[in-house]
Amino acid sequence: ETGVTQSPTHLIKTRGQQVTLRCSSQSGHNTVSWYQQALGQGPQFIFQYYREEENGRGNFPPRFSGLQFPNYSSELNVNALELDDSALYLCASSTGTSGRFSNEQFFGPGTRLTVL
Amino acid sequence: GDSVTQMEGPVTLSEEAFLTINCTYTATGYPSLFWYVQYPGEGLQLLLKATKADDKGSNKGFEATYRKETTSFHLEKGSVQVSDSAVYFCALSERKLVFGAGTILRVKS
Repeated sequence: ETGVTQSPTHLIKTRGQQVTLRCSSQSGHNTVSWYQQALGQGPQFIFQYYREEENGRGNFPPRFSGLQFPNYSSELNVNALELDDSALYLCASSTGTSGRFSNEQFFGPGTRLTVL
Repeated sequence: GDSVTQMEGPVTLSEEAFLTINCTYTATGYPSLFWYVQYPGEGLQLLLKATKADDKGSNKGFEATYRKETTSFHLEKGSVQVSDSAVYFCALSERKLVFGAGTILRVKS
């Protein structure tokens, strides 16, 4: 069974650029959630996708957007990067049903984004 | 809104010492509660969970009991090992996973 994978591992961008992060969910999982973990902090929920539809969103501006594909993999896009966007971005997959947040999530190793 | 408060670290212990990491929560409903562990350079791993009041979650010698009356979910282990050195996150789940800030645990041999 393949776990959750994320790419790239590390990324360096400059302020104002755009970035796309990718996540492959664990086999059999149809729900993907994205989190931002700033240095020394706990992960903060960005949004969740269930069967290609956004299924909940945290307190992040619209320049954070996402997609989920028919194979349940997902992308996180961030436009107009700011210095404060520097963080570890974690993807987690789970099985879930529409309107209900799944309880057990399996996390990938994360993508470390540095914005200069 | 929902929130989780953990004791600040780092917590430094000698091998075989007793571990307690305090966690309290605020929630409007009846959340599930979790402890996640993050080893250096890795993603989060679920350590244990409890889904209702008085449930005890346990795994790898770690335990935590869901205490509704004190809104707490303290993590304990009777005898820590060097390999337990990591960052531990308490979290709750209702509409979304809400994490505490994390507690660094360092175990010395």
